[in-house]
Amino acid sequence: DAKTTQPPSMDCAEGRAANLPCNHSTISGNEYVYWYRQIHSQGPQYIIHGLKNNETNEMASLIITEDRKSSTLILPHATLRDTAVYYCIVRVGTGRRALTFGSGTRLQVQP
Amino acid sequence: DGGITQSPKYLFRKEGQNVTLSCEQNLNHDAMYWYRQDPGQGLRLIYYSQIVNDFQKGDIAEGYSVSREKKESFPLTVTSAQKNPTAFYLCASSIDGDTEAFFGQGTRLTVV
Repeated sequence: DAKTTQPPSMDCAEGRAANLPCNHSTISGNEYVYWYRQIHSQGPQYIIHGLKNNETNEMASLIITEDRKSSTLILPHATLRDTAVYYCIVRVGTGRRALTFGSGTRLQVQP
Repeated sequence: DGGITQSPKYLFRKEGQNVTLSCEQNLNHDAMYWYRQDPGQGLRLIYYSQIVNDFQKGDIAEGYSVSREKKESFPLTVTSAQKNPTAFYLCASSIDGDTEAFFGQGTRLTVV
């Protein structure tokens, strides 16, 4: 699976959009981009995933660049409950079907 | 409620004792996983199972064992061979391994 690079920490004001970047420059054509988050001392929670096209669900939007070497997770209106560690994971669709987690980005939403 | 249940939430054991962590899911998922998390770090894969009666070693399998006799259950045994067993252990499942994974709330194991 391709390696990902994320900033270790970010701050965001409550009510503003949180934009979390992820670099995956070695991604290959059959690898998906997944985002999970982990609130302190809880199990990770799935947020969204995509292959090429931008994706949106009730939690967030995922923007993948045309060359697929980077992506951005957007939380449109961050709340205090969005304070968590956010993991960007790149994974092939078949083969070893387990997620490989990096260190993630610690997002602190400020009141 | 459908979901993944890990028990207990906190577990204490003496050094040298084997201990088994429970993971049960009622989501009818084929794939199940065990991860370990140390303070301030990401999750590391211990074992995973794509189907009943089959499992594969992950990145840090040494000192751990698993079984998958039933679809809904994937217990993890931390043996005395595991040098640093104190950690937060997370179990997950997914429909077939290709879709998103759902995680339990974890078991925090402390070995003294």
